[in-house]
Amino acid sequence: QQQVKQSPQSLIVQKGGISIINCAYENTAFDYFPWYQQFPGKGPALLIAIRPDVSEKKEGRFTISFNKSAKQFSLHIMDSQPGDSATYFCAAFRGGSNYKLTFGKGTLLTVNP
Amino acid sequence: KAGVTQTPRYLIKTRGQQVTLSCSPISGHRSVSWYQQTPGQGLQFLFEYFSETQRNKGNFPGRFSGRQFSNSRSEMNVSTLELGDSALYLCASSVGGSNTGELFFGEGSRLTVL
Repeated sequence: QQQVKQSPQSLIVQKGGISIINCAYENTAFDYFPWYQQFPGKGPALLIAIRPDVSEKKEGRFTISFNKSAKQFSLHIMDSQPGDSATYFCAAFRGGSNYKLTFGKGTLLTVNP
Repeated sequence: KAGVTQTPRYLIKTRGQQVTLSCSPISGHRSVSWYQQTPGQGLQFLFEYFSETQRNKGNFPGRFSGRQFSNSRSEMNVSTLELGDSALYLCASSVGGSNTGELFFGEGSRLTVL
């Protein structure tokens, strides 16, 4: 059972364009939604995160939009740059004694110069 | 502050062998998690250790095991290797406590099973 569905699998964007990656979750117990960025040969690194009581969070060119009723959240990368080319993973975290962090399957983003 | 260090970075084994991977977390981090990353399955949670105790476990067979030492360093072991165990094994550390989902990953150990 895939609890976090991520799309698209791959994305090609021109420099200066907007990259959009979408995720949907099923378990309403999730209470923290981080995004991780992974460059080739490196481990994933926390990029930005949001809690469900907030509908949007922006950090520089990166914005998370969150729709609690639809159980969906998305990452927007404004003014995409070739250096943003990486694999992006959304994740959903459920806290408490039986905590769990579940990752989406990732989106390979390529930004062409 | 040094990041998460994993050794070895690359290794090749044959079916039936066993392997031990090592992880040194960020100083002060008491929680260490292990993930298996493959192209088809993405990031799959193996287990998590906190203060030398396994606190959480994923859905992997008993061939996959781990431990944590008093200095928070962790090792994972895979016995009786199968071809399907070929993957990037990632270690991640966090401060611990209730575990917020904020993980700091190492660069991984890439295991190839022939």
